Amino acid sequence: RKEVEQDPGPFNVPEGATVAFNCTYSNSASQSFFWYRQDCRKEPKLLMSVYSSGNEDGRFTAQLNRASQYISLLIRDSKLSDSATYLCVLSGAAGNKLTFGGGTRVLVKP
Amino acid sequence: NAGVTQTPKFQVLKTGQSMTLQCAQDMNHEYMSWYRQDPGMGLRLIHYSVGAGITDQGEVPNGYNVSRSTTEDFPLRLLSAAPSQTSVYFCASRTGGFSYNEQFFGPGTRLTVL
Repeated sequence: RKEVEQDPGPFNVPEGATVAFNCTYSNSASQSFFWYRQDCRKEPKLLMSVYSSGNEDGRFTAQLNRASQYISLLIRDSKLSDSATYLCVLSGAAGNKLTFGGGTRVLVKP
Repeated sequence: NAGVTQTPKFQVLKTGQSMTLQCAQDMNHEYMSWYRQDPGMGLRLIHYSVGAGITDQGEVPNGYNVSRSTTEDFPLRLLSAAPSQTSVYFCASRTGGFSYNEQFFGPGTRLTVL
C-alpha cells in the first residue's frame, strides 16, 4: 500500500461548480499535512496547510480526519484557473522529509 | 530574491555519462532536497540536507550523489546515467525547525537518458 494515495482523476468540473477530493495516508505518525498545487510542467507550490480543526482560504477548504487517516480539499465556485494537479503532502514526526501523493488532476471547463 | 534556481532546464544524456544538476537558493534556507517526479508516481525524495556539511539519503538515492558545502548550493550528481533516471528533477528548500514550514521548489530539470 502506498503511503499516500490520491485519486488521479481527472475531475471534470463545470465552471462555478464545487469539487471535492480526498487523500488517504497510511502512517498514523504523520504530523503535518499540506495541499500543493502543480500546473502542467511547472514546479509544485503550496496551496494551503491542513490543520486538525479544518481551515479555509477563500474558495478552498481543507480538512483533516486523523481517525480515518485522510485529508480533503474542497474548491467552491471553480474557476478556469483552478485547473491543475493537486498534490497531497505530509511529513512525519522528524519533519525532515515530505511524502507526496501522486496528485489529483482537476479540469475546470466553461 | 531569485528563490530556488536550477540549471540546466533540459538535458539529454547517453547511458553511462555523468553530469551534475545545479541547485541554488538565496533565501538562507537550512533545508534543501532533491526530488524526482515520474508519471503517476508523485515526487520521490532522492537526497536531502539539513544544513551545510550534512546530507542524508531519501527514498530513491541509488545512482545519485550530493554534497552541501555552502548553505546556498546543493548539486546533484548522476554518476553513470541510466534510462531509468529519465525524469523531471526538482530541487526544493525551506527554513529549518518546524515541519510545517513551506517548501519552495525550483523550476525543474527535465532529463532524458538515451
